Amino acid sequence: QVQLLESGGGVVQPGRSLRLSCAASGFSFSEYGMHWVRQAPGKGLQWVAVISHDGSEKSYADSVRGRFTISRDNSKNTLHLDLNRLTVEDTAVYYCAKGPWILDYWGQGVLVTVSP
Amino acid sequence: AIQLTQSPSSLSASVGDRVTITCRASQGIASALAWYQQKPGKPPQLLIYDASSLESGVPSRFSGSGSGADFTLTITSLQPEDFAIYYCQQFNNYPLTFGGGTKLEIK
Repeated sequence: QVQLLESGGGVVQPGRSLRLSCAASGFSFSEYGMHWVRQAPGKGLQWVAVISHDGSEKSYADSVRGRFTISRDNSKNTLHLDLNRLTVEDTAVYYCAKGPWILDYWGQGVLVTVSP
Repeated sequence: AIQLTQSPSSLSASVGDRVTITCRASQGIASALAWYQQKPGKPPQLLIYDASSLESGVPSRFSGSGSGADFTLTITSLQPEDFAIYYCQQFNNYPLTFGGGTKLEIK
């Protein structure tokens, strides 16, 4: 069965960096676009970024463009999100989700807390 | 970016009721709409895609309709496990966007 397992979350100070990872299994990872979606505490869902199946195309939400970088390693069935210049507004649970357009499988999420 | 407006933002209903949630897009998106259910502490779960196609394993009491800019999610004969938050999401173009959510509560 499809499994997505995020890791790398934690508490970080504003301005610092963090790398999130998502280990995928149960499907042909290299054939699907993948997404990151976040949810601030008590708030709704916000799409963050997408990467094509081969990593050649990427797209970002305006709020993270230039600070976050999505990448993937198809040899390791792993998706990454590098979070730089973090602000308190980036505090959220970050989910990886299988695409390409319809998010049919989601990980359990990883909490990123940005706090002075 | 395409904005999605869900209504109502919250809804109280009883087990056995029929409920309808609407999602309006700021521009036409054909049938590029999905619906998700989210329970506390859990990730969203896909219910409906392409506006009206039922995801495998989702009970048939869930249905979706609409195209263009106006969409609905209908749940017939509410069950206790249906009380959750529901989100619509458009995938007509990037950035992907979600509606603000509808919290379905037990009356």
